[in-house]
Amino acid sequence: EDQVTQSPEALRLQEGESSSLNCSYTVSGLRGLFWYRQDPGKGPEFLFTLYSAGEEKEKERLKATLTKKESFLHITAPKPEDSATYLCAVPGFGNEKLTFGTGTRLTIIP
Amino acid sequence: DSGVTQTPKHLITATGQRVTLRCSPRSEDLSVYWYQQSLDQGLQFLIHYYNGEERAKGNILERFSAQQFPDLHSELNLSSLELGDSALYFCASSATSGSYEQFFGPGTRLTVL
Repeated sequence: EDQVTQSPEALRLQEGESSSLNCSYTVSGLRGLFWYRQDPGKGPEFLFTLYSAGEEKEKERLKATLTKKESFLHITAPKPEDSATYLCAVPGFGNEKLTFGTGTRLTIIP
Repeated sequence: DSGVTQTPKHLITATGQRVTLRCSPRSEDLSVYWYQQSLDQGLQFLIHYYNGEERAKGNILERFSAQQFPDLHSELNLSSLELGDSALYFCASSATSGSYEQFFGPGTRLTVL
């Protein structure tokens, strides 16, 4: 069964202080890895898809990278509006479902 | 805005009652997924429908059922509600072919008193 583990559970950063979030996965065959952002009480918002080791995607202050065992979400010079829970997920065979990690709750302090 | 809509936004009901949650997928998406998110469990997959047919079931209780209609909207029915069913319920939709990204609706917050 697919498994996804995220760390740390929570992260507090000063505004402008760069850091990385980790997502490690165990799957029978990688069919992609997704990153989502979720604000409290809202639906997950799609950020990135990564398909193969070595792939990188960027959006504003966020960059996602992928290896054969884990993915990193790097946040550069974050702002308070980047505060949210960041979730990673892997799709099952035939796109039957997504298996999510428990997320990293990121807080950016002004 | 993902293009996925869900109603109602909030639902407050009593134990033992039955409720129906509604979801409309993005235009032309044939797949609809339902997920439950509670504080101690994270996002858990419940069920997947593709073009009206059930494709996969996850940790869905027997008291819960779903269907997808010819116009592709979906309903999740929760019956004999218990306090522990209080959670956020999300639906998501994905494209028919190609990439596997799922796009989520804003959710329905269910409170069982």
